[in-house]
Parts: sequence; C-alpha cells; structure tokens
Amino acid sequence: GAVVSQHPSWVICKSGTSVKIECRSLDFQATTMFWYRQFPKQSLMLMATSNEGSKATYEQGVEKDKFLINHASLTLSTLTVTSAHPEDSSFYICSALGTSGYNEQFFGPGTRLTVL
Amino acid sequence: GEDVEQSLFLSVREGDSSVINCTYTDSSSTYLYWYKQEPGAGLQLLTYIFSNMDMKQDQRLTVLLNKKDKHLSLRIADTQTGDSAIYFCAIRTGSSASKIIFGSGTRLSIRP
Repeated sequence: GAVVSQHPSWVICKSGTSVKIECRSLDFQATTMFWYRQFPKQSLMLMATSNEGSKATYEQGVEKDKFLINHASLTLSTLTVTSAHPEDSSFYICSALGTSGYNEQFFGPGTRLTVL
Repeated sequence: GEDVEQSLFLSVREGDSSVINCTYTDSSSTYLYWYKQEPGAGLQLLTYIFSNMDMKQDQRLTVLLNKKDKHLSLRIADTQTGDSAIYFCAIRTGSSASKIIFGSGTRLSIRP
C-alpha cells in the first residue's frame, strides 16, 4: 500500500520558536494532502487541505498565519507552526489523498509537538 | 454541519465479537470508512463501504450500513488482544470531493 512519512516523529521546542513538520508520500504522487490535529483522547480535527502548487484551504477557526502550509511538490507538504505556544502542543497528523476510486487517505504516523 | 458520532468505550472478552457503532448526519455521504489507531501511531484504514452497499465482509471484519437510519457498524469476530485500539468511523462528505469527517473514536479494550 501507499506509504506516507512524517518528520520529525516528535519535537520539543521553546515557546516563541517555529517548528516545521514534513509530510511525504513515499511511493506515489499526491496532489492533495491534509493536515489534522488530534488532542489527547479526542478525534482528528481537519486543519487544512493542501494542494500542490496552490494555497492551502484552511478550516474555519484555524489561523493561516499561525499554521503555514506549503505544498511545493507532488510528494511533500510542510506545516510550520509559527511562534509556538504551549497550547499548540498536540499530535499533528498528515494524510495524502490516494488515486484509487474510493478516495482513500493514507495517513502518516503523526508528529507529537510539545511546546515548553 | 456534518456530524459523526460514536460511543467512546467498548470492552469485550477475548474471543467474543466486538461491535462498534457509528451514526452520521450527512445523507449524501458516498464512502464510509473505519480506521484503527494504535497508541502513539497514525491511522490505518481497516475497511470501507460505498453508500450503495448494505454489507461488506473482509476476513474477521464485517461492516453493516443502514442508510435509512444513517447507521454504520463494524463487527470484529473473535476479538484478540491485538485488536485493542481506537476505532474511528469516518465519512466522505457529499459536499466536498475529498474531505473526510471523523467520529470521536471508540476505544476498544479486551479483557481476558
């Protein structure tokens, strides 16, 4: 099956710094990727839809200047959390849209961000 | 907006069947999915069903869809300790070609 990787798998940073998370589709091209946020013991919340070569579409309530998304190639999307604060600590998961008829999303293993 | 609901917890005895239920509101949903998430990991697609199907079986997994009641269920036969995880129901909304809405997840625990 299609594989999606994320890097780093976990990161600890100081308040006020920026953190970049990478999402890569390893064996297929993904024109569309998604970024989710998951709080402990809660469901996934879609943050934004990332389309290769165009601006990301953000969900209501998600600050686009806070969470910068870049999808510069067909296999890579990045999420940068700018000026991170402790409340940004969360599990961030990306997915890449497959090309099969049932529109499966292939999920990365997630990145745990802890902001001190 | 669209809503997907699940019960939060389910506990079953090893060897018994587990049935995880899900209800949704979007009547135009096309694909409905079940994902499994193990601790600290991403999501793994277990199975999916298209909206014009009533049932789909895949080895130990059986998915039932009642479109009239907007109810989806996942049955795991002969539940094993390795099935312990959080199971998410998800629907592809009719309003967007690729957006998926997730339920809150059901934490399945197995007792000996």
